[in-house]
Amino acid sequence: GQSLEQPSEVTAVEGAIVQINCTYQTSGFYGLSWYQQHDGGAPTFLSYNALDGLEETGRFSSFLSRSDSYGYLLLQELQMKDSASYFCAVAGGYNKLIFGAGTRLAVHP
Amino acid sequence: DTAVSQTPKYLVTQMGNDKSIKCEQNLGHDTMYWYKQDSKKFLKIMFSYNNKELIINETVPNRFSPKSPDKAHLNLHINSLELGDSAVYFCASSQDGTGSVVTQYFGPGTRLLVL
Repeated sequence: GQSLEQPSEVTAVEGAIVQINCTYQTSGFYGLSWYQQHDGGAPTFLSYNALDGLEETGRFSSFLSRSDSYGYLLLQELQMKDSASYFCAVAGGYNKLIFGAGTRLAVHP
Repeated sequence: DTAVSQTPKYLVTQMGNDKSIKCEQNLGHDTMYWYKQDSKKFLKIMFSYNNKELIINETVPNRFSPKSPDKAHLNLHINSLELGDSAVYFCASSQDGTGSVVTQYFGPGTRLLVL
């Protein structure tokens, strides 16, 4: 089967750095994605790792270790607007994305 | 210039009714999806269409029937609505090809409440 594990909640202060971990189990693997969803909004694509290593996009970075079936999303210089839910997702088969349960990030002043 | 649009945004209806949700994308993508997000924010795929052909049909009651008249449109019809159908339904699209599935563009969602 396919499953993903990520923390349910994370709290941090403005300006800090936070890391959201994701471990996965899947029968096929094309890559690990991260999506952001604000309350009442739609999931929005943030990043994608197909190969091991770190991908950086502005304040956000994503890391993948395929041998460990593990990845993380790193958010730097946190802002209040980063308060949202963050989902990791794996492409476990053709045209199928499996989402984790989401991590709710609360950023405080 | 909305990329993926859905109508309606809100849907409040009685148990037993039949309702439809429409989705359109102007990104030129070949693949479209329907997801259900429950009250705990768990996002689960329901259906996927590639160029009007059904390619993914998860374990969804047959009261749910998707239809894709062309590759830019994917509609969802729900018969005999039940309380448990209350959720947010998201349409999404992606380009064709292995690996493209990881980058999906979501519509704003349709908030369905069954009374």
